[in-house]
Formats: sequence, C-alpha cells, structure tokens
Amino acid sequence: EPEVTQTPSHQVTQMGQEVILRCVPISNHLYFYWYRQILGQKVEFLVSFYNNEISEKSEIFDDQFSVERPDGSNFTLKIRSTKLEDSAMYFCASRRDDQPQHFGDGTRLSIL
Amino acid sequence: SQELEQSPQSLIVQEGKNLTINCTSSKTLYGLYWYKQKYGEGLIFLMMLQKGGEEKSHEKITAKLDEKKQQSSLHITASQPSHAGIYLCVSGGSNYKLTFGKGTLLTVNP
Repeated sequence: EPEVTQTPSHQVTQMGQEVILRCVPISNHLYFYWYRQILGQKVEFLVSFYNNEISEKSEIFDDQFSVERPDGSNFTLKIRSTKLEDSAMYFCASRRDDQPQHFGDGTRLSIL
Repeated sequence: SQELEQSPQSLIVQEGKNLTINCTSSKTLYGLYWYKQKYGEGLIFLMMLQKGGEEKSHEKITAKLDEKKQQSSLHITASQPSHAGIYLCVSGGSNYKLTFGKGTLLTVNP
C-alpha cells in the first residue's frame, strides 16, 4: 500500500539554524498538510497546501515557517531560525478528494 | 474553536477483554475520524464517520457516531496485544483541517 514518507526520522539542530523537513506524499494525492506534536501534547494543525499554494494556516505557522512543493513529488517544511519551542514531532499528511488523510511516521526535531 | 474530550485518558485491560473509548465534541461533528498512534510511528487511519447514527466496523473494532453528531465511541472486542497504542479522536474542518483529541493510551496485558 502506498505510504507517505518523511525524512529524516530525527533531526538535531542548534537554535537559530534553519531546518528543512522533507515529505514525499502519496503519488496521486493533491492535498498536503503539516502537523506537529509537542511532547505530551495534542497533535496540532500547522498548514494545508493545494494547487501550489497555502489553503489555510494556523497561528503557529508564522513568518519563520514556509512550505514548498519544489517538484512533483516532494513537500517540504522550512523553519528559518529555529527556537527551543520548535522541538516537536512533525507529521506530514496527504489526501485525495474527500478521502481521509494519510500520515507519515514523522520527523522528531530536537533544538539544542 | 472545537474541543474534543476523550475518556478515559488511559486504559489497561487483559487480553481478550472488551473495551470502549469515548469522544465528546464541543461542537457538531461534520466528519469524525479515529486514528491510532504507536510510539515512534505515524498516525494510522482506522475509520471515518460522517452521518449521525453511523456505525462502522473493521475486524474487531467498531466505531459509532451518535444521532446529534457530538459524540463518538470506539469499541474493541476481544482485545489483543496488537491493539495497544494511543487512540485519537479527530474531527475534520474547513479544508479538511484536522482537530485532535488528547488521545487514549491503551495497554493490553497478555
């Protein structure tokens, strides 16, 4: 069965550095999402993306965050200048039509 | 904003026992999903409910959405160690943005 793939599985970065999290959605999916889960807390919506533009974003998704679909397969989340509070598990998801979202295994981001 | 309250927060059962997890929404649910999360892994889709009174089953797991579409339950029959994990009640919103409950941690003892 097709899967959403996320890399790397764990990223350790110094505070203030830029980080890019990568996702390969399922190939025939057109809607893409990023969520995050801070340790011990709920999964939170960050951003949705369709037709090469952001459909909706949360208050968390400020100017430090950006998303891109640089080619036909990858979907990336960039954090420009990381803060300690950005430490979390980041999940990518994709869907087609009105079907449920399929999630990747996540990238654990640790900011030192 | 919508809040999803799950109960219980955690549950320990003996293998073979039945169990139920409940989810109550602060607003009417227009799409209700159940996902399962295992430590260090992603979120696995279990079931989607959209209509009031709807009930769906897959293997030993049954999910229901009440008529008023503000409560859902997940029932597992004859639990197995493979059922262990965190069960998440999730609602769909505009642009299919998902709102998550805090989850119910299920432990199944052999």
